[in-house]
Amino acid sequence: KAGVTQTPRYLIKTRGQQVTLSCSPISGHRSVSWYQQTPGQGLQFLFEYFSETQRNKGNFPGRFSGRQFSNSRSEMNVSTLELGDSALYLCASSISYQETQYFGPGTRLLVL
Amino acid sequence: GENVEQHPSTLSVQEGDSAVIKCTYSDSASNYFPWYKQELGKRPQLIIDIRSNVGEKKDQRIAVTLNKTAKHFSLHITETQPEDSAVYFCAASRGGNEKLTFGTGTRLTIIP
Repeated sequence: KAGVTQTPRYLIKTRGQQVTLSCSPISGHRSVSWYQQTPGQGLQFLFEYFSETQRNKGNFPGRFSGRQFSNSRSEMNVSTLELGDSALYLCASSISYQETQYFGPGTRLLVL
Repeated sequence: GENVEQHPSTLSVQEGDSAVIKCTYSDSASNYFPWYKQELGKRPQLIIDIRSNVGEKKDQRIAVTLNKTAKHFSLHITETQPEDSAVYFCAASRGGNEKLTFGTGTRLTIIP
């Protein structure tokens, strides 16, 4: 099976702009979770989608949003970018939470 | 919500020696505890997991122990090798549709 893919891999934006990141899960996986990874902060949970429904949301401001399509592909959007949004954004797909989460390679976002 | 603390944040071990990483969790209802390994520049990958009905699980040189009473679990790596150098993340979930909460990671360095 093909692994989890994320596009784009790298992104440079300026403050105030918005960005959309994409994640394609492993075929058959209906759960997609998004994480923000920064040095020293580990993996901070953003949200999780299952069958097009957001089941869980982390403690991030409303500028962070997401959605999932009927083919399980997911997108996350960050509006009004801030310098502190610079991070590696990882998505992970799984059959369910208590099964292995398979991570994508991540999108590295730099906000200038 | 769940809070997972992970110690130490950095660990250096002589090749061939053992390494132990400890995590504590706050939600007594948590029942799934995976460990992920992230090598430099790569995505996190599951290396072992344990569920609350089991006290210990082994996979070759890797073992995880769980103490539900004390709400802590540990990763043990024996006969460490250079390829064990990576960042290790523990996580906990209470199951069902509940999200995974990750620790802040341990950077393990194996000294040749």
